[in-house]
Amino acid sequence: GQNIDQPTEMTATEGAIVQINCTYQTSGFNGLFWYQQHAGEAPTFLSYNVLDGLEEKGRFSSFLSRSKGYSYLLLKELQMKDSASYLCAVRDSNYQLIWGAGTKLIIKP
Amino acid sequence: ETGVTQTPRHLVMGMTNKKSLKCEQHLGHNAMYWYKQSAKKPLELMFVYSLEERVENNSVPSRFSPECPNSSHLFLHLHTLQPEDSALYLCASSQSVGSGANVLTFGAGSRLTVL
Repeated sequence: GQNIDQPTEMTATEGAIVQINCTYQTSGFNGLFWYQQHAGEAPTFLSYNVLDGLEEKGRFSSFLSRSKGYSYLLLKELQMKDSASYLCAVRDSNYQLIWGAGTKLIIKP
Repeated sequence: ETGVTQTPRHLVMGMTNKKSLKCEQHLGHNAMYWYKQSAKKPLELMFVYSLEERVENNSVPSRFSPECPNSSHLFLHLHTLQPEDSALYLCASSQSVGSGANVLTFGAGSRLTVL
């Protein structure tokens, strides 16, 4: 079967750096997405990786290793507003999106 | 108004009621989706429409009935639901189905409680 694994919950301190990992086993690979979802709000797109390496977007970066079936989302200079759930999703060979259960990130002052 | 709008935001219904969820997108996208989001579970894809034609139906019980009258509007008709159907129902749209980055734009969801 197809599976996406990410930690259920993480806690970090304001101003620090946190890395949220995502590992996947899917039938083929056509890209990996990260979305952010604040409580009671819509998930919003953060990043898309289809080639190996690091994609940087301001305070957020996303890394992909296709050979290891692994990605991480790196958040720098954490702010209280970064408290949210972070969803990892992989598009398989049929262009179906396979979703992880999400990582709830709690930022403490 | 821009983005994806869902109404109602909250709905409480009994098991014998009939209700509908509505989704509207103002992005000019050609594909629309219904997802179910339950606590601590991955998003479950329910239905996909491309250019108003249903292209996917992921073994969803018949008590959920989608309708896509045009490329901007999507409905989910609900009938004789079960308590386990209580969840957040998310609508999303994208430029197309399939290749490319094909980023999804989500609505804020309709929180459904079935008593």
